[in-house]
Amino acid sequence: EIVLTQSPGTLSLSPGERATLSCRASQSVSNNYLAWYQQKPGQAPRLLIYGASTRATGIPDRFSGSGSGTDFTLTISRLEPEDFAVYYCLQSGGSPVTFGPGTKVDIK
Amino acid sequence: EVQLLESGGGLVQPGGSLRLSCAASGFTFSSYVMTWVRQAPGGGLDWVSAIGSSGSDTYYSDPVKGRFAISRDNPRNTLYLQMNSLRADDTAVYFCARGAARQGWDYWGQGILVTVSS
Repeated sequence: EIVLTQSPGTLSLSPGERATLSCRASQSVSNNYLAWYQQKPGQAPRLLIYGASTRATGIPDRFSGSGSGTDFTLTISRLEPEDFAVYYCLQSGGSPVTFGPGTKVDIK
Repeated sequence: EVQLLESGGGLVQPGGSLRLSCAASGFTFSSYVMTWVRQAPGGGLDWVSAIGSSGSDTYYSDPVKGRFAISRDNPRNTLYLQMNSLRADDTAVYFCARGAARQGWDYWGQGILVTVSS
């Protein structure tokens, strides 16, 4: 099973700042099948990025994904008030599909 | 508009059974892989099960294998999760989601709470 580690656990930033979230896999994620989801309290997760770097439909271009192999990054170029949430990475290159523990982005 | 609506959750005793439903609308249900994901209270997300578009291929996480069964009724546009031998650690909000993990789960239901407790 591929274990995903996300860092930091919590990121305290101000609106307008840049957020850089890391997701590291215990082994290489085949075909870069790595996705990022955003979740706000009481809501279902929302797909942001799949295939490590492809933005999902309707996702603003301030969200970008990068990386390959075992190291992946989600970058939010300028935080908007609605971006404060928990972010999860998910790998589906290995079986079973596994999530990271999440990074909480909160308001400084 | 794509909509997914879960139902069937609630309180059940350990060892009991429950069947979740996910009613889909706004898209061609029979063309999509469908998935169940759960989230324990205050916890992270866990993939539970997936089913191919025709229903012939099913997949389960290790914690639920042999206890849960995923199925679908394409003419009724409904996804199911039959949960047997429930344990306290199955307590979670259960979400249904559209699609295969590799292409991303692009639509989700609002989630339904299952509580396993005596």
